[in-house]
Amino acid sequence: NAGVTQTPKFRVLKTGQSMTLLCAQDMNHEYMYWYRQDPGMGLRLIHYSVGEGTTAKGEVPDGYNVSRLKKQNFLLGLESAAPSQTSVYFCASRNGGGNEQFFGPGTRLTVL
Amino acid sequence: DAKTTQPTSMDCAEGRAANLPCNHSTISGNEYVYWYRQIHSQGPQYIIHGLKNNETNEMASLIITEDRKSSTLILPHATLRDTAVYYCIVRLPLGSSNTGKLIFGQGTTLQVKP
Repeated sequence: NAGVTQTPKFRVLKTGQSMTLLCAQDMNHEYMYWYRQDPGMGLRLIHYSVGEGTTAKGEVPDGYNVSRLKKQNFLLGLESAAPSQTSVYFCASRNGGGNEQFFGPGTRLTVL
Repeated sequence: DAKTTQPTSMDCAEGRAANLPCNHSTISGNEYVYWYRQIHSQGPQYIIHGLKNNETNEMASLIITEDRKSSTLILPHATLRDTAVYYCIVRLPLGSSNTGKLIFGQGTTLQVKP
């Protein structure tokens, strides 16, 4: 099993550009999460999903949209990137009865 | 979810036990204590969790005080690969109103030295 994978690993955007980050998991987990981590800080929850077709806002949702059209995929979109969105983005998944969240390797995004 | 307080950084000699404290004085009766760690630039990794009793697994031990206001994560024989940021997180039990989201603080940076 690959676990949780994220693409791309690195990306540089100009202000105002858009992009989509892809998270995929092959563990058949119901729950999926998107976090961001700024330098020297802990992770902050952006959006999450409790199942296919459902999404909800986390602590810092502004400027991001998400979609969960397939159970194994959770997409994070930036419609108009801003320098404040420069960060490392982590995706995680968890099964319904499990206590452990499994994290992906992260996507390092720089917005110039 | 209750807030946690951890020291910013700690050092430990290789081969010795690393004891990482966490204060969660406002924890409620049904909240669990979770520990995750993040090795440089990687995604966080689950270590252990507990409610009241002490817990042990292949990675670590978790000691929770009787009043549950603090806990200690113990890595019994620290190695250089245990150098990481360790996060103590308090969370409600999983259920219809709790979707399992984690609230991370700044954690403790543990440096294991040769």
